[in-house]
Amino acid sequence: QVQLQESGPGLVKPSETLSVTCSVSGYSISRSYFWVWIRQPPGKGLEWMGSINHNGNTYYNPSLKSRVTMSLDASKNQFSLRLRSVTAADTAVYYCARADDYKGWFDPWGQGTLVTVSS
Amino acid sequence: EIVLTQSPGTLSLSPGERATLSCRASQSVSSSYLAWYQQKPGQAPRLLIYGASSRATGIPDRFSGSGSGTDFTLTISRLEPEDFVVYYCQQYGSSPPITFGQGTRLEIK
Repeated sequence: QVQLQESGPGLVKPSETLSVTCSVSGYSISRSYFWVWIRQPPGKGLEWMGSINHNGNTYYNPSLKSRVTMSLDASKNQFSLRLRSVTAADTAVYYCARADDYKGWFDPWGQGTLVTVSS
Repeated sequence: EIVLTQSPGTLSLSPGERATLSCRASQSVSSSYLAWYQQKPGQAPRLLIYGASSRATGIPDRFSGSGSGTDFTLTISRLEPEDFVVYYCQQYGSSPPITFGQGTRLEIK
């Protein structure tokens, strides 16, 4: 059974870079599938941030494309998100998930990690 | 970008009743690439329906999805107490970006 677990810094200062990692167990991320980041500001809805496939090909939300980078570390079976130049508007729960394709539904999801942007 | 509008924003019903949640797209969703998720407080969303009408593994058969083009529906045939949470639709046929609706909250009347 595939399980995903996010880890993050908890608190990031404005203008700095937010980094979150998703550790995957029960499946090798280098075999197949797309690996996805979604975020949810407190009390608000869901936003797809981007997807990366097992070969490292990326698809980003155009609204974030200038600030986001996703990467894979097959040796650790992890994938990561970096978001540059953060503001308070980037405060959210960050979720990772798996998708069959870059055009795909998301299942399963990690439990999420809250990242707060504040000085 | 395809905008998804869910209605109503909040739906008040009683356990045992039937719930009908709507998701309308600003343009046609290709190949019925539409999913529904359930989110309980403090938890990650859980996939209920994909391909507009296929139930995900382990989802009770009281949950069903229908629709095509721009109009989609999630129906819960007989509400259980644990069903009174938030539901999101998602389109993944036009990407990027993949987009979500703003959510429907199901509350106990």
